[in-house]
Amino acid sequence: QKEVEQNSGPLSVPEGAIASLNCTYSDRGSQSFFWYRQYSGKSPELIMFIYSNGDKEDGRFTAQLNKASQYVSLLIRDSQPSDSATYLCAVGGRDTGFQKLVFGTGTRLLVSP
Amino acid sequence: DGGITQSPKYLFRKEGQNVTLSCEQNLNHDAMYWYRQDPGQGLRLIYYSQIVNDFQKGDIAEGYSVSREKKESFPLTVTSAQKNPTAFYLCASSIFPGSNQPQHFGDGTRLSIL
Repeated sequence: QKEVEQNSGPLSVPEGAIASLNCTYSDRGSQSFFWYRQYSGKSPELIMFIYSNGDKEDGRFTAQLNKASQYVSLLIRDSQPSDSATYLCAVGGRDTGFQKLVFGTGTRLLVSP
Repeated sequence: DGGITQSPKYLFRKEGQNVTLSCEQNLNHDAMYWYRQDPGQGLRLIYYSQIVNDFQKGDIAEGYSVSREKKESFPLTVTSAQKNPTAFYLCASSIFPGSNQPQHFGDGTRLSIL
């Protein structure tokens, strides 16, 4: 089992819809969770991070964490074509001595006008 | 403007050659990281440094070397021992060490073999 798993996609949603991106992780001791957006050919850009169970909202983005089920989600409301990118999930936890992040391979999101 | 500067943007390596990728940050961050990204794969950690004059191997350190002589600088050398160096190399930093700290990335260096 991969440490951090994401569906590679592409996830296709129409403009204005809610995009839901999911990430599961294997380390039960994980404590920090990050979402990065990466446009094609560019470097990752941090968009959200969450440490506690529940929801955390920032503008059109909501991160949801469920430690019991070992998943973290990113919701993008009112999706725009400019949201089309690959979204990387990164997790920090006990397995890496709380020193390093483990990245998933990313989910490609396509928002059609 | 504070940020992380990687140079060059593109780099070509000849057979048997060592090449050095530059990473400079003016964010006053303690920790710095080097990742490698291959198509369709996630980021893999090469080396990281939590403090000046100290660094640790990541998951794929073989064929690479680093130094951290100044807080703001963390250069990566890709040695001739790295047989498959073609990849997108990303430098990141965080204000403090530890996996609970958000990491911010530079624009990356694309390395190819001639």
